[in-house]
Amino acid sequence: GAGVSQSPRYKVAKRGQDVALRCDPISGHVSLFWYQQALGQGPEFLTYFQNEAQLDKSGLPSDRFFAERPEGSVSTLKIQRTQQEDSAVYLCASSQGGHYGYTFGSGTRLTVV
Amino acid sequence: QQQVKQSPQSLIVQKGGISIINCAYENTAFDYFPWYQQFPGKGPALLIAIRPDVSEKKEGRFTISFNKSAKQFSLHIMDSQPGDSATYFCAAREYSGGGADGLTFGKGTHLIIQP
Repeated sequence: GAGVSQSPRYKVAKRGQDVALRCDPISGHVSLFWYQQALGQGPEFLTYFQNEAQLDKSGLPSDRFFAERPEGSVSTLKIQRTQQEDSAVYLCASSQGGHYGYTFGSGTRLTVV
Repeated sequence: QQQVKQSPQSLIVQKGGISIINCAYENTAFDYFPWYQQFPGKGPALLIAIRPDVSEKKEGRFTISFNKSAKQFSLHIMDSQPGDSATYFCAAREYSGGGADGLTFGKGTHLIIQP
């Protein structure tokens, strides 16, 4: 596609509910990143994939967060047993890799009530 | 520990003026310094980027100045326009050689250009 597509754009979850956030990267981009952006803050790194391999998950805040990219294209970020502190915009970015810049999607705004 | 410190938090500039946003970093292994522009409801968009082997990079009205010894870099927006009103983030990346690596972002600067 022409850009990075994320769905849903908005998600309201009750505390304790599981959620799944989807990212469609730019076709052919080998690198895929997930970031979390709290209100009024800069994005914070969560995890990184190169093709289907998850090479860095050091930013995932707890074991309730899980990401996958089984075929090296679409990625899903799953949050189990959501908490209020999980409320944020979740951004996905993709890149050709190496020293190329990243393209971000518009994000999914998650609100946990 | 905040690895990339950005200032000011907010900035108001008159149309036609120069907007200046500053960032400082600690990690000397950072090797790529991009600036992103973000409008409400949108993801960050790459504006301009620099590597530490040059001291300045200019693209249109946007210039990055880089001071390696001081571990500081700044964004200058010349002839600022109301359409430049947005939140700006500086970022830095430590390249490990295993592929593209995650960016460390500053906290952002909310820029308002007054007509």
